[in-house]
Amino acid sequence: DAGVTQSPTHLIKTRGQQVTLRCSPISGHKSVSWYQQVLGQGPQFIFQYYEKEERGRGNFPDRFSARQFPNYSSELNVNALLLGDSALYLCASSLRYNEQFFGPGTRLTVL
Amino acid sequence: AQKVTQAQTEISVVEKEDVTLDCVYETRDTTYYLFWYKQPPSGELVFLIRRNSFDEQNEISGRYSWNFQKSTSSFNFTITASQVVDSAVYFCALSEASSGAGSYQLTFGKGTKLSVIP
Repeated sequence: DAGVTQSPTHLIKTRGQQVTLRCSPISGHKSVSWYQQVLGQGPQFIFQYYEKEERGRGNFPDRFSARQFPNYSSELNVNALLLGDSALYLCASSLRYNEQFFGPGTRLTVL
Repeated sequence: AQKVTQAQTEISVVEKEDVTLDCVYETRDTTYYLFWYKQPPSGELVFLIRRNSFDEQNEISGRYSWNFQKSTSSFNFTITASQVVDSAVYFCALSEASSGAGSYQLTFGKGTKLSVIP
């Protein structure tokens, strides 16, 4: 079975631009979570969705938004990019809420 | 508020040595879950184990073992007879059942970078 997939793998943007990251969960998993991992740190929780509803939001500005589609895939949008948004963005899916399996991540570089 | 502390930033061992990675957590919940993840240089987080707060039984899986002690709020991870392939960053994480609205967000420690030298 395929694991969590994320696209794109790498992305380079400039300050002020907008970016959309995509995630497809493991087949049968209905919950998707997003995390930001800055170099040298542990992942930080951004959002969790279950059955297309937002179930949790971390301490991130409103520039960050997400949604989940009927097929349980998800998108993370970040507007007005800042240099500090450069990070590895990880998507995780779970069958139950708390056993999360992660994708390979999207590495975002903001210049 | 929940918090996870991994005091060891980097550890180096020679192949075949045993190594223990420490994890201390803070939570006010009585129901919570603890995790260990491995992050190789490729970047993908690999799930290793989940433990719930009501199960203090230690677990062994091959060369890996975990020691959960509620009295000291610790959930330590030991690799026996380490191998070069064990080189990675290891993260301990905590999830509280009362995160709200059905969310089980993970709170991660800063990670411990393990280098196994041949």
